Amino acid sequence: KNEVEQSPQNLTAQEGEFITINCSYSVGISALHWLQQHPGGGIVSLFMLSSGKKKHGRLIATINIQEKHSSLHITASHPRDSAVYICAVRSYNTDKLIFGTGTRLQVFP
Amino acid sequence: GAGVSQSPRYKVAKRGQDVALRCDPISGHVSLFWYQQALGQGPEFLTYFQNEAQLDKSGLPSDRFFAERPEGSVSTLKIQRTQQEDSAVYLCASSLAQLGLEGPYNEQFFGPGTRLTVL
Repeated sequence: KNEVEQSPQNLTAQEGEFITINCSYSVGISALHWLQQHPGGGIVSLFMLSSGKKKHGRLIATINIQEKHSSLHITASHPRDSAVYICAVRSYNTDKLIFGTGTRLQVFP
Repeated sequence: GAGVSQSPRYKVAKRGQDVALRCDPISGHVSLFWYQQALGQGPEFLTYFQNEAQLDKSGLPSDRFFAERPEGSVSTLKIQRTQQEDSAVYLCASSLAQLGLEGPYNEQFFGPGTRLTVL
């Protein structure tokens, strides 16, 4: 079993829909990252959080440390949001990131 | 720009060739990480440097993989006698923080990656 699990693996949506991507992890962590990867490989860090909730534009990330679960929400989705979204956790006492396999999102106009 | 850069962006190698992949981290960033991302998978940790010291190389898949960061800035990942299973995107990331520090300094900034194809 992977230490970081994401669901769904693939997601399609119509423009304007509300999107939720889930991440569960099984290790003790000091932080959780949500990353966005566009075709061609470039990775952009969206959020780094260790508790609660963060919001940036149309993106919202939440984490529940007790339940070892995080969600990434996209409000009013747009075709330019189409990308792979990756959850990664940083385990205690190390900066090493453990990655989920990603969720491929396609938003159609 | 002042981001992490990697070169080459694409590399095709014949099986058995040696390759060298370069990472230029953000200036002043203490920590540097190498990750391997196979097609359709999430990245996997290879190795970690704090300045010039390689503190963790537990993710290197075999002794054909070697990484260095001799002056604490630019890093090179070398793969000797490449095999087809080495085909992947190799990602480099850097962060401002030293190991164990908490806070926004731990955020890792990723380079665009080097796509290695071994024929």
